[in-house]
Amino acid sequence: ETGVTQSPTHLIKTRGQQVTLRCSSQSGHNTVSWYQQALGQGPQFIFQYYREEENGRGNFPPRFSGLQFPNYSSELNVNALELDDSALYLCASSANEGGGETQYFGPGTRLLVL
Amino acid sequence: DQQVKQNSPSLSVQEGRISILNCDYTNSMFDYFLWYKKYPAEGPTFLISISSIKDKNEDGRFTVFLNKSAKHLSLHIVPSQPGDSAVYFCAARGGGFKTIFGAGTRLFVKA
Repeated sequence: ETGVTQSPTHLIKTRGQQVTLRCSSQSGHNTVSWYQQALGQGPQFIFQYYREEENGRGNFPPRFSGLQFPNYSSELNVNALELDDSALYLCASSANEGGGETQYFGPGTRLLVL
Repeated sequence: DQQVKQNSPSLSVQEGRISILNCDYTNSMFDYFLWYKKYPAEGPTFLISISSIKDKNEDGRFTVFLNKSAKHLSLHIVPSQPGDSAVYFCAARGGGFKTIFGAGTRLFVKA
């Protein structure tokens, strides 16, 4: 059983650029959530996908968007990058939608916006 | 608006002693609470959880206590081991999927 993987591990972009981060869910998991963790803070919920549909969103602007594919892998896209977007981006997969199931996190992608 | 607060950024404990990590929340709609542990360069790892209908949940060396009237929960680790040194996040959910995390407490267990 493979765990949650994310790519790339590190990324440097400049303001105004666009970035795509990728996540491969744990085997058998149909739900993926994305989080942003700024330095010194806890993870902040961006959105969640369940069976290829977005089914919940945190307080992030529309330039943060995502996709989930039939194999339940996922992408996070951020357009018009801002300096404050510099953070660790985590994805987490789980077996069901909502509820008390356990989320399994990937190691994250560290994004630096210059 | 911090709905989940971990007011101690760090905690240092001697090996073999008890570690107590605290967490406060403001939203009375939260009904499920979790603790995650995070090592450097790794994602958070689920440690233990508790439903709001309980006041205690125990798993080996880890026990979580919930005081709903005070909107407070704590994680007890006993005995503490050097391998427990990590950042611990308290998290909460309320009637859905959105998980709210605290800022974390860095635990140092000294040998």
